[in-house]
Amino acid sequence: DIVMTQTPLSLSVTPGQPASISCKSSQSVVHSDGKTYFYWYLQKAGQSPQLLIYEVSSRFSGVPDRFSGSGSGTDFTLKISRVESEDVGIYYCMQGTVLPHTFGQGTKLEIK
Amino acid sequence: QVQLQQSGPGLVKPSQTLSLTCAISGDSVSSSTAVWDWVRQSPSRGLEWLGRAYYRTKWYYDFALSVKGRISINPDTSKSQVSLQLNSVTPEDTAIYYCSRSKYTGSWYYLDYWGQGTLVTVSS
Repeated sequence: DIVMTQTPLSLSVTPGQPASISCKSSQSVVHSDGKTYFYWYLQKAGQSPQLLIYEVSSRFSGVPDRFSGSGSGTDFTLKISRVESEDVGIYYCMQGTVLPHTFGQGTKLEIK
Repeated sequence: QVQLQQSGPGLVKPSQTLSLTCAISGDSVSSSTAVWDWVRQSPSRGLEWLGRAYYRTKWYYDFALSVKGRISINPDTSKSQVSLQLNSVTPEDTAIYYCSRSKYTGSWYYLDYWGQGTLVTVSS
């Protein structure tokens, strides 16, 4: 299985400041069709995960433009340009290129 | 708007079968652009993808090796639902179980809609 490793595991950010989360995969997640099936999710307290970013860098419907995804191959990053209180929760990366789909261990974002 | 509503028991005895149902609205179970996944979450394993079912002129299934041989996913187009069965459960199967949809629209929206989750405890 592809192992997804997120750093940091937690971060505390002042509202209005940027935040960045890294996710590294144990092998390339570029599919044979040339696409990269890499995703970011946010799980708020007591809720199911929600899709934020699909295919590395595209924002899902309704996701604010302060969220952006980037990366390639094995190294990916989620950036929040200006953190807001509603961004609190646990962020997960996931690769959908190879079965089984695998998730990172999560990064907990708190507000200072 | 797609909605996934889960139902099923929250307590299962060891060695018995875990059964959950996911009622789907806003999309067709047999859509040629949808995939129906089951994912579970526990403190020890984190988020773990279990398997999926999808229809492309016939039904296809994929399962995680960690549960292969014990898992089945059963779509029911007449009831617009997908069910999960996990046999011979042990306390390690205690987790929150989620159904989820993945959708192809020119891009793949993996796990774009989720059920509310069902906490299943395996205990005698």
